[in-house]
Order: sequence, then C-alpha cells, then structure tokens
Amino acid sequence: EVQLVESGGGLIQPGGSLRLSCSASGFSINNNYMTWIRQAPGKGLEWVSLIYTGSTTYYADSVRGRFTISRDNSKNTLYLQMNSLRAEDTAVYYCARDINFYDSGTYYGWGQGTLVTVSS
Amino acid sequence: QSALTQPPSASGSPGQSITISCTGTSSDVGGYNYVSWYRQHPGKAPKLIIYEVNKRPSGVPDRFSGSKSGNTASLTVSGLQAEDEADYYCSSYAGNNNPHVVFGGGTKLTVL
Repeated sequence: EVQLVESGGGLIQPGGSLRLSCSASGFSINNNYMTWIRQAPGKGLEWVSLIYTGSTTYYADSVRGRFTISRDNSKNTLYLQMNSLRAEDTAVYYCARDINFYDSGTYYGWGQGTLVTVSS
Repeated sequence: QSALTQPPSASGSPGQSITISCTGTSSDVGGYNYVSWYRQHPGKAPKLIIYEVNKRPSGVPDRFSGSKSGNTASLTVSGLQAEDEADYYCSSYAGNNNPHVVFGGGTKLTVL
C-alpha cells in the first residue's frame, strides 16, 4: 500500500527552526517528484516546495531562503528544513507525490499532514 | 489572495448536478492542460479527484467530471450525494513561474 506519513511538527517560537519528515512506503521517492504543500488554519492550500528526481528544487517566494527541501533515498524519506520561522508559517504541512513521473503539478496520495504552530 | 479564483460556496440537493468554476490566466490554467481538482473533508487531507483537466484517478466515480475553456476550468459533480459535502480546490501547473503550482481559494459545497 502506498503511504506517506508526515512528522516533526509542533509549537515553535518565531525565529526558530524545525525539520519536517515525510516517510514513504509502497513506492520509492527516488523515482518520484515530491512536494510540500501547506494549509493555514481555516485557509486554502499553498504550494511550498518541490524536489525533482535529481537535485533540482523549487520554492515559493514566501519561503525561499528560509526553507530547504531534501530527501534521503536510503530512508525513503522527504524532508523540509524550516528556519527563521514566522507566525505566517503556521499551517498543516502535507507531503505529496506527483501522479506522473515528471513535473506536472498533480498531487496524488497525500500524507495526513503535520501541524506547525509558530507562536511565542 | 489566491492565484486561481473559485466561488466561495456552492450548493445543491441530492441527485442534482453542480458546477464549480476556476479562473486563472494564460500563465497557468490557459497555458497548460495540468488542471487538477481536490476534495477535502474536514480534518482530512485533500484527495485528487480530477487531473489533467478531465481525467479521473482510479476509484473516483464518473459522477465527477472536469473541463476547460480558455483560462477557466470547471468541475461538475452529478448525482450529488451527502458525502460530496466538502471543500473543493482547483490547481494548475504554472511552469517556471512562481509559484510553481497555483491553487484556488476553495469552494465549500453544501448538499442541502
């Protein structure tokens, strides 16, 4: 069964750092385009970051320079390192994979999400 | 403000059909056939129900259909059922623009 499980969320003070993990099972993240999407409480979806099967990465303007997406193929796990966190980063963070084996922005099989709360 | 424009709400009675619109620009919806629709029940993760404008993933009933004309995409839900009450989001690939993928603000569908 294909599954994504996010972890690492929690309460963090403004300016702090947090690393989210997304553990995959049932497929290899090495062969897939993986992404992070977030949803602020009561709000809509916001695309955050994408990593290609190689090393190419993309970021939303709102997180570029503060967040870093990466993966460990040996652990079949996707990561999102979040630094200099702000109150506006408060959201549920989802990981997902592209339904295609190329970058089509079509996200299938989302994880359950992990909540990040940035507050003093 | 979301990049794609959706009506904030829609409603219909069981058995009826409803259509939700999603308007973007030539840089996203109008420029690519990578328009997707997601359904999200409260407290749950979004689920892909339409991709590449009008394709359905395995397991999604044919009551759900999608279309596109110019910069506007549409989702039609036929034969409304109580379980269809949820939030619906459209998205579009935007190529090397930023953001890379744009979402609509969501439409709350109420089954009366």
